[in-house]
Amino acid sequence: RKEVEQDPGPFNVPEGATVAFNCTYSNSASQSFFWYRQDCRKEPKLLMSVYSSGNEDGRFTAQLNRASQYISLLIRDSKLSDSATYLCVVNTMDSNYQLIWGAGTKLIIKP
Amino acid sequence: EPEVTQTPSHQVTQMGQEVILRCVPISNHLYFYWYRQILGQKVEFLVSFYNNEISEKSEIFDDQFSVERPDGSNFTLKIRSTKLEDSAMYFCAGAGLSGANVLTFGAGSRLTVL
Repeated sequence: RKEVEQDPGPFNVPEGATVAFNCTYSNSASQSFFWYRQDCRKEPKLLMSVYSSGNEDGRFTAQLNRASQYISLLIRDSKLSDSATYLCVVNTMDSNYQLIWGAGTKLIIKP
Repeated sequence: EPEVTQTPSHQVTQMGQEVILRCVPISNHLYFYWYRQILGQKVEFLVSFYNNEISEKSEIFDDQFSVERPDGSNFTLKIRSTKLEDSAMYFCAGAGLSGANVLTFGAGSRLTVL
């Protein structure tokens, strides 16, 4: 089983719609969770950290489900500029520094 | 907004040649990382650097790789004898008081090994 697993997509979504995708992780002891976005051939950029209680930043909502070992990202009122690959990132409990990266979910927002 | 700066943006080299990639981190960052991403694949951890020494390294970071901080601020990633499979985007990243896992990436150096 992969340590961090994501549906690669692509998710093709009309502008203005709501889209959600999940990421599952295998290590139940993981403590830190993040969503990064990566535009084509660019560097990853932190979108948001994911807290146990769930958190919201504008149109973006992240949630953590420890029982089922997944995190989710919800994007409301999607915009063309949201088109990107969304990377799920989880820390490893074996290390203070190593993060495990998912392969990403590609999102395409269509006008 | 402070940036992590990487040079060169793209380097083409022959197999077996040495390559040095450079990174200028954000000045108040404490933790530093090198990652690589082969085209179309996931981001992979190479090495982390804290307190002027390597703190962790992955299996990818074998004897062909080295990281240095020659002047106490800038970083270099050296690949001694490049292989075809070293072709990838190499990202430098840093983290500060927000936590070791909250990373700011540079724009990357694309390495093409022929």
